[in-house]
Amino acid sequence: DQQVKQNSPSLSVQEGRISILNCDYTNSMFDYFLWYKKYPAEGPTFLISISSIKDKNEDGRFTVFLNKSAKHLSLHIVPSQPGDSAVYFCAARLSKTSYDKVIFGPGTSLSVIP
Amino acid sequence: DAGVIQSPRHEVTEMGQEVTLRCKPISGHDYLFWYRQTMMRGLELLIYFNNNVPIDDSGMPEDRFSAKMPNASFSTLKIQPSEPRDSAVYFCASKPGQGSRQPQHFGDGTRLSIL
Repeated sequence: DQQVKQNSPSLSVQEGRISILNCDYTNSMFDYFLWYKKYPAEGPTFLISISSIKDKNEDGRFTVFLNKSAKHLSLHIVPSQPGDSAVYFCAARLSKTSYDKVIFGPGTSLSVIP
Repeated sequence: DAGVIQSPRHEVTEMGQEVTLRCKPISGHDYLFWYRQTMMRGLELLIYFNNNVPIDDSGMPEDRFSAKMPNASFSTLKIQPSEPRDSAVYFCASKPGQGSRQPQHFGDGTRLSIL
């Protein structure tokens, strides 16, 4: 029973265009969401996050949008660059916990074509 | 600064053998996590520690798996006996204790193959 879903296993985008990666969640108790990026043979690295009290957070070329009513978030990359080719994991944290346990989605592999 | 260090990077062994994966977290980080990544299940949390104490081991698949953290700078994940279905990439991650929104920092993983 996956609480964090990324229904697109892969995505191909032309360099310079927008990449949109989607994530859906089922647990309304999630209060904080994160995106991690992973290159082959490396561990995931933190990319951007958003609190459940916001609907948008922007950091350079990366923007995360949160739609709480739909339990949906998305990561936009504009413009996409070949170096953005990686696996992107969506993750969510349960609120009111004494620790930082996050649940990861299965990941979406992004290929940016030069 | 050194990140999370995992060893070995690759491990190939025969089923039935004991496997020990090692992790050195970032100095000063109070939390340590062990994850397993497979094609079928993605990135799943196995166990995590806070100040060297195991807090949640509900993700440990079965009794063949055990994890320890004898001190703040070292943790092990042991599989005994190993089985082919344990083949996966195992990641260790750490995070600071203060500020619950601090992201986790991951090591580069151990790719485990059980023949």
